[in-house]
Order: sequence, then C-alpha cells, then structure tokens
Amino acid sequence: SQTIHQWPATLVQPVGSPLSLECTVEGTSNPNLYWYRQAAGRGLQLLFYSVGIGQISSEVPQNLSASRPQDRQFILSSKKLLLSDSGFYLCAWSVSVGVSSYNEQFFGPGTRLTVL
Amino acid sequence: AQSVSQHNHHVILSEAASLELGCNYSYGGTVNLFWYVQYPGQHLQLLLKYFSGDPLVKGIKGFEAEFIKSKFSFNLRKPSVQWSDTAEYFCAFKMNRDDKIIFGKGTRLHILP
Repeated sequence: SQTIHQWPATLVQPVGSPLSLECTVEGTSNPNLYWYRQAAGRGLQLLFYSVGIGQISSEVPQNLSASRPQDRQFILSSKKLLLSDSGFYLCAWSVSVGVSSYNEQFFGPGTRLTVL
Repeated sequence: AQSVSQHNHHVILSEAASLELGCNYSYGGTVNLFWYVQYPGQHLQLLLKYFSGDPLVKGIKGFEAEFIKSKFSFNLRKPSVQWSDTAEYFCAFKMNRDDKIIFGKGTRLHILP
C-alpha cells in the first residue's frame, strides 16, 4: 500500500533563516505531488504541484520554492523565512490524470512551521 | 477563477442532531467533487467523492453528499451526528481530467456530548 511521509513534524525557525521540508511517497511510481499550506479559517492553499521529476508548477507567488529531485521526493524550500510563512504545511500525492481520471489526493501528516 | 465556497465556518450541534454542510463550486464544466475530513490530531482523509453516475454519494461513517449540477452544489449530510464527528470538513472539486484539486476554507464542526 502507499504511504506518504513528511518531516520534520514541527519546526521553529527565526526570521531570515532557510527552510527545507521534505516529503516522500512509498508504494507508487510517477505520482503527482502537491504542497499545501493550511491556515486557520483559510482552508488549504495550493502552493506547488509536480507531475514529474523536475516539473514544478507554482500556484501562488511567494517566498517559497519547490523541487522534485527524485520521482517520489518533493521538497519545499525558502532562502529567507518571513513571519508570514508560519503555518501548517501538507504534502499530498495522487495518481496522474493520465493514469486515471479518478485521481483523488492522499495527504501526509503535515509539518507545523513557526517563524519567530 | 474557479473556487469553492463553504457557507458555514463553524457549526455546533448536539449529538443525534442532523447535519448539513453547504458547499458550492464555481465552474461550468464537468467536475469531480470531494469531501475531506480532518479529525483532531489526524491526517486529512477522504470522506467521500463523486466522479460520475449516481449524484447521491455515500461515504464512510454514515455521511452522504448529493451533487446537484443545476445548483453547483455538493452538500454533505448525516442524519444523526456523534461526538466523534467533531472535526474540520473540507469541500473540494477539480475539473474533470485535471490534476489540481481546489479546496474550500473548511467548516469546523463541534458536537456537544
């Protein structure tokens, strides 16, 4: 069966410091991968998604970037964190619509990021 | 731009009360629809989904949702809620054969024992 991992689970970072959050998926090949930020009362905001290695689509211009160095690895980064980057970051995967149009998303446990 | 609107941000009910959470989407074409649930301290998980066929969809834990195309709606219902239904509920949709899912802002449901 497929599983999705995120780490770290929680992170406290000072303003201006770099960020690297990692997400990996097991048990599937060539998944679509997604990064969301969840803020109270604001739902899930799609930040980035990727349909293949090295292919990144950015949904919201911001202080963050994403990379997909391997098929089942998705990394969220920042060179300099802002206070407004605090939030709960969720990684998700789905099969590609090219494989099946029944492509619901499956979510990881999330990373709670606090920027001080 | 496509979007999802959840009408209730916070709902408080007593056990055994009936539940209906509203959800409307804005897109004129073929859609796939979802309700996700996040129980306290747990992963976001799929409650139910609609891709095609019968517009009345049944999910886990006694939940159901009805897709009404003419109203662009996909309301979530449960005839009798339990304390364990306390959670945050997210409505979502995607355009058919698209890779992106668009989420609503969520509804926090609090069930009083």
